[in-house]
Amino acid sequence: GAVVSQHPSRVICKSGTSVKIECRSLDFQATTMFWYRQFPKQSLMLMATSNEGSKATYEQGVEKDKFLINHASLTLSTLTVTSAHPEDSSFYICSARLRTGSYEQYFGPGTRLTVT
Amino acid sequence: AQRVTQPEKLLSVFKGAPVELKCNYSYSGSPELFWYVQYSRQRLQLLLRHISRESIKGFTADLNKGETSFHLKKPFAQEEDSAMYYCAAQTGANSKLTFGKGITLSVRP
Repeated sequence: GAVVSQHPSRVICKSGTSVKIECRSLDFQATTMFWYRQFPKQSLMLMATSNEGSKATYEQGVEKDKFLINHASLTLSTLTVTSAHPEDSSFYICSARLRTGSYEQYFGPGTRLTVT
Repeated sequence: AQRVTQPEKLLSVFKGAPVELKCNYSYSGSPELFWYVQYSRQRLQLLLRHISRESIKGFTADLNKGETSFHLKKPFAQEEDSAMYYCAAQTGANSKLTFGKGITLSVRP
């Protein structure tokens, strides 16, 4: 089946630094990837939709200059949290759509970000 | 506004008891409905979608357009069903997926 990986699985960084999270579709090409944020025991909040070769579409309230998304290839999207602060600590999950026009989305295992 | 509502946060039942996880949606048009499951320390995965009308791991969900509901049911819960369950909706194949807040199902021995 379709597999999505994320790297790193866990990262701790100091306040004010930037951290990059990678999302890869391992055995399929994903024209669209999604980035979510999940708080403990709460729902997934969509942050942005990332389309290969174009600018990401951010959800209302998500700072595009703080959460930089790049989708340079059909198998890789990256989320960079710039000038991280403790309130950015969260679980970040990506998903990839199997193909355009498909409802199927496959989720990565998530990345736990802790900002100290 | 498009919304998916899961009114309960937690459901705790004994093994063998019936389970119903509630989900209501507020959408214009006819959305596609899904149930996703997240077992402890595992990634989110699709459990079932209404268009396929299939039963997965004994779970079924019927779309009730009159009540705008898509409740998830299982007649006899198993301990391994303990997980977080999310109802989700999507208006078209290229649109975003909107999740409910999720419900924790705990099945006790």
